[in-house]
Amino acid sequence: GQNIDQPTEMTATEGAIVQINCTYQTSGFNGLFWYQQHAGEAPTFLSYNVLDGLEEKGRFSSFLSRSKGYSYLLLKELQMKDSASYLCAVRGPSRQTGANNLFFGTGTRLTVIP
Amino acid sequence: DSGVTQTPKHLITATGQRVTLRCSPRSGDLSVYWYQQSLDQGLQFLIQYYNGEERAKGNILERFSAQQFPDLHSELNLSSLELGDSALYFCASSVASGLSYNEQFFGPGTRLTVL
Repeated sequence: GQNIDQPTEMTATEGAIVQINCTYQTSGFNGLFWYQQHAGEAPTFLSYNVLDGLEEKGRFSSFLSRSKGYSYLLLKELQMKDSASYLCAVRGPSRQTGANNLFFGTGTRLTVIP
Repeated sequence: DSGVTQTPKHLITATGQRVTLRCSPRSGDLSVYWYQQSLDQGLQFLIQYYNGEERAKGNILERFSAQQFPDLHSELNLSSLELGDSALYFCASSVASGLSYNEQFFGPGTRLTVL
């Protein structure tokens, strides 16, 4: 099965840096995704990691350690518009067919305060 | 705008009823995925179709079914609706399926309310 854990809520100050952690225990692993989701809207893709290390994309970076089953999303120079839920998703085999699919954590709701 | 379209945007119905949600994937995408998002459970994978065929199943109830048509649009059918089925239902699409890096693009969702 797939077990993905993230903190439920976090608060950070505008202009600061915040790190959102994700730990996973999965029966197979073929990559980890981070999505951003504003309330009531569709998730939008932020980053993808399949090898260990840091992937940087502008103000957002994502890190993966496969041996530890651990990833984090780092948001720098926080802006008010970054207030959203951040979803960690692991790509792994479906129990029924073995085909790869995305399994999501419950998400971390980030609130950015002035 | 991801290029994935879903209709209707909102749906209000009563317990015991049946509804159909529709999704059109991005042009060129062969895979369609359905997800359910409830307040307390996060995004739950329901089912995937690839080029008209069922590819993977997640936590999909027997009361729910889906299909993908030759023009690649997909429909999710929910029957014998219960209060607990109230949720946001998202459709996502991707170019292919399998091991390769395969970003999923999400539609705007259908908000289902069962009264």
